[in-house]
Amino acid sequence: NAGVTQTPKFQVLKTGQSMTLQCAQDMNHNSMYWYRQDPGMGLRLIYYSASEGTTDKGEVPNGYNVSRLNKREFSLRLESAAPSQTSVYFCASSEVPRGQPQHFGDGTRLSIL
Amino acid sequence: GQQLNQSPQSMFIQEGEDVSMNCTSSSIFNTWLWYKQEPGEGPVLLIALYKAGELTSNGRLTAQFGITRKDSFLNISASIPSDVGIYFCAGRDAGNNRKLIWGLGTSLAVNP
Repeated sequence: NAGVTQTPKFQVLKTGQSMTLQCAQDMNHNSMYWYRQDPGMGLRLIYYSASEGTTDKGEVPNGYNVSRLNKREFSLRLESAAPSQTSVYFCASSEVPRGQPQHFGDGTRLSIL
Repeated sequence: GQQLNQSPQSMFIQEGEDVSMNCTSSSIFNTWLWYKQEPGEGPVLLIALYKAGELTSNGRLTAQFGITRKDSFLNISASIPSDVGIYFCAGRDAGNNRKLIWGLGTSLAVNP
């Protein structure tokens, strides 16, 4: 049982490049989340999806887009990466719509030069 | 944005000791959550609390929802080396139930 799987685990980008972070869960959960974690800032919600076909902005959505492709997958896209987006990105899921995140992936460590 | 006041910021203890940490908010909460994060991994939900005064255990971990609804406590009894990690509190403001607010974490180190 893999839980929440994130790919890639590490990535280095140049300013202005684009990339998509992938997330998939195998627990049949309704809600999925994207967070970023920065030193001294705690976890901040970027976007969430309460159920398949819906997405909503979190606290820090600027510079990001998301796609809830199906119930399993929720991707995060950086269209034009900026150094301020250097962070560790976590995907999470929960059974209850808008419930607390129950299961997190192991994160994607993203550096933008 | 709003953050929770989590203390202490870090702890260094001897194996076998009990540990206490807490989280306070400036407003009334209707949910308190405690997570643990180990290096290189995502947070793991340890305990969820939904009622003032509620006391819930998960093995050697016990958490309480403060009766003022503005604080929560996490205790770890008889600590062991695998307790090492960062413990985060999180909660939902009763006046803005859609948003989950996070603390900055308590870093725990255990000396065997």
